Amino acid sequence: DTAVSQTPKYLVTQMGNDKSIKCEQNLGHDTMYWYKQDSKKFLKIMFSYNNKELIINETVPNRFSPKSPDKAHLNLHINSLELGDSAVYFCASSQLATDTQYFGPGTRLTVL
Amino acid sequence: AQSVTQPDIHITVSEGASLELRCNYSYGATPYLFWYVQSPGQGLQLLLKYFSGDTLVQGIKGFEAEFKRSQSSFNLRKPSVHWSDAAEYFCAVGARSGGGADGLTFGKGTHLIIQP
Repeated sequence: DTAVSQTPKYLVTQMGNDKSIKCEQNLGHDTMYWYKQDSKKFLKIMFSYNNKELIINETVPNRFSPKSPDKAHLNLHINSLELGDSAVYFCASSQLATDTQYFGPGTRLTVL
Repeated sequence: AQSVTQPDIHITVSEGASLELRCNYSYGATPYLFWYVQSPGQGLQLLLKYFSGDTLVQGIKGFEAEFKRSQSSFNLRKPSVHWSDAAEYFCAVGARSGGGADGLTFGKGTHLIIQP
């Protein structure tokens, strides 16, 4: 069984559209994260979330919003997509906020 | 705020040769330190981690890393590389304070090329 899964693996869309990326973890972890990997492979935290607290990286535009229907899921919703949003988005989870993070396979988003 | 520097963007090593990838961090206290590997088109796989205790940590696939507080370094080593080790390697630091839910801070990665 995949520990951290993401869907879709590839997402191609037009500028201005709204899209969501889903993330599920079956590890029973309490904290989940979203990272963005740009074209130069630089990884940067976007959000971290547990059942008590959402921490948002201040550089993330408010067009991005995480939504957690339950402890095992943290979806990423993006409004009004822009060309610069093209990247690979990784979901991760950890038992505690200070534990090892396990990453999903990534979603490659291409905005045309 | 913490930061991570991986000074080598690309490294080329012959198959069977030894490997050392450099990582320096900046953090006000003892950090959590990680090495992840990313194969082309894949996600990130944890190689090893340092939380506390023995400063020489062993990981998967024959990798090891040594935490040196005096040098603020956490270099990754392997005595003999295999062609399958060709990948992108990321060093990362995690915070111990402030609830810790700030996510990992990654270096910019080192691209490892293996020559036959």
